[in-house]
Amino acid sequence: DAEITQSPRHKITETGRQVTLACHQTWNHNNMFWYRQDLGHGLRLIHYSYGVQDTNKGEVSDGYSVSRSNTEDLPLTLESAASSQTSVYFCASSESRGSVGVYNEQFFGPGTRLTVL
Amino acid sequence: AQSVTQLDSQVPVFEEAPVELRCNYSSSVSVYLFWYVQYPNQGLQLLLKYLSGSTLVESINGFEAEFNKSQTSFHLRKPSVHISDTAEYFCAFSGAGSYQLTFGKGTKLSVIP
Repeated sequence: DAEITQSPRHKITETGRQVTLACHQTWNHNNMFWYRQDLGHGLRLIHYSYGVQDTNKGEVSDGYSVSRSNTEDLPLTLESAASSQTSVYFCASSESRGSVGVYNEQFFGPGTRLTVL
Repeated sequence: AQSVTQLDSQVPVFEEAPVELRCNYSSSVSVYLFWYVQYPNQGLQLLLKYLSGSTLVESINGFEAEFNKSQTSFHLRKPSVHISDTAEYFCAFSGAGSYQLTFGKGTKLSVIP
């Protein structure tokens, strides 16, 4: 069965370190998204990609970067981790065929809980 | 600006009682609407969606939601809740012409035995 996986599931790091969170999907979806989930804020979009070599900034992109070298993977990098980036991070993917908007259902990974000390 | 408002952050309800989780949206374009559910320590799963056609949509586990364009609402209802419905529920929408979803802040449903 197709799926979307994230690794690691839990990560503790120190302020100032570079951290990369992995996201891998086997749906063959063109669209991939990264969100962070914080109490009282719901899900906020960090970065997204509509295909290989395409990346775009979301609502809360400062301090984060992504790259898309193939269809399956969209790693999220925290260049210099800060305590404010302690959060649960979710990756999602969706189709892009057909009319824009018709296939907007997003499939989510299980999440990565990141703690920055 | 486009936005989603979930009016209640927490909703406690007794088992077998009915529940309504409220969602209102603001958009200047046509929208597609979604409800996602997140069980403890898990990712989000799609519960139901409105794309077009009948304004009343149903899920396989007894939830339903009705799209009301005049009131810009997409409230989620269930006539009789179970303990297993305890979770956080997120309303989301996508504007026509966009693949992005805008999420509400979530409503935590707690079912009391």
